[in-house]
Amino acid sequence: DTAVSQTPKYLVTQMGNDKSIKCEQNLGHDTMYWYKQDSKKFLKIMFSYNNKELIINETVPNRFSPKSPDKAHLNLHINSLELGDSAVYFCASSFLAVTDTQYFGPGTRLTVL
Amino acid sequence: GESVGLHLPTLSVQEGDNSIINCAYSNSASDYFIWYKQESGKGPQFIIDIRSNMDKRQGQRVTVLLNKTVKHLSLQIAATQPGDSAVYFCAENSAGGTSYGKLTFGQGTILTVHP
Repeated sequence: DTAVSQTPKYLVTQMGNDKSIKCEQNLGHDTMYWYKQDSKKFLKIMFSYNNKELIINETVPNRFSPKSPDKAHLNLHINSLELGDSAVYFCASSFLAVTDTQYFGPGTRLTVL
Repeated sequence: GESVGLHLPTLSVQEGDNSIINCAYSNSASDYFIWYKQESGKGPQFIIDIRSNMDKRQGQRVTVLLNKTVKHLSLQIAATQPGDSAVYFCAENSAGGTSYGKLTFGQGTILTVHP
């Protein structure tokens, strides 16, 4: 069974549209994350949730809204998509402590046309 | 191709050679360091970690060295195999006075292993 899964794998959409990416983990972790990887492979954290509560919110446009219905799921909704949103988005999960390893999902490649 | 526009450090080795990938980190308060491997089209995969109170840790074919004086981390891969070809990232995790950590990733190094 996949530990951290994301859907969809690929997402191609027009500028201005609203889209969602879903993430689920079956590792029993209490903390989940969203990362963005740009075309230069640079990985940067966007959000982190612990037990459905937002604990990290980096400087991300408010068009991005994470939602955590329970601690096994963290979805990312993006409003009014822009060309610059094109990237690979990775979900990850871990336990909360600093020294707990984060496990990553397979990624969602978002292309905004 | 995928590499167009990328300007990551690259390391090319022959199969069977030892590889050393280096990383400089920025936060002297970081508590925990991790190396991740990312194959094409996949998410980062945990390789090995090390806490700030250690300077060396060994795994299967991999060793991580930490030099806090110069804020330098290295990953050594013994007997490199073609399956080791990937982008390798170092990451530092610092609590910054909180009870949780935040991973900050380094630039990434492309390792290519030639048969």
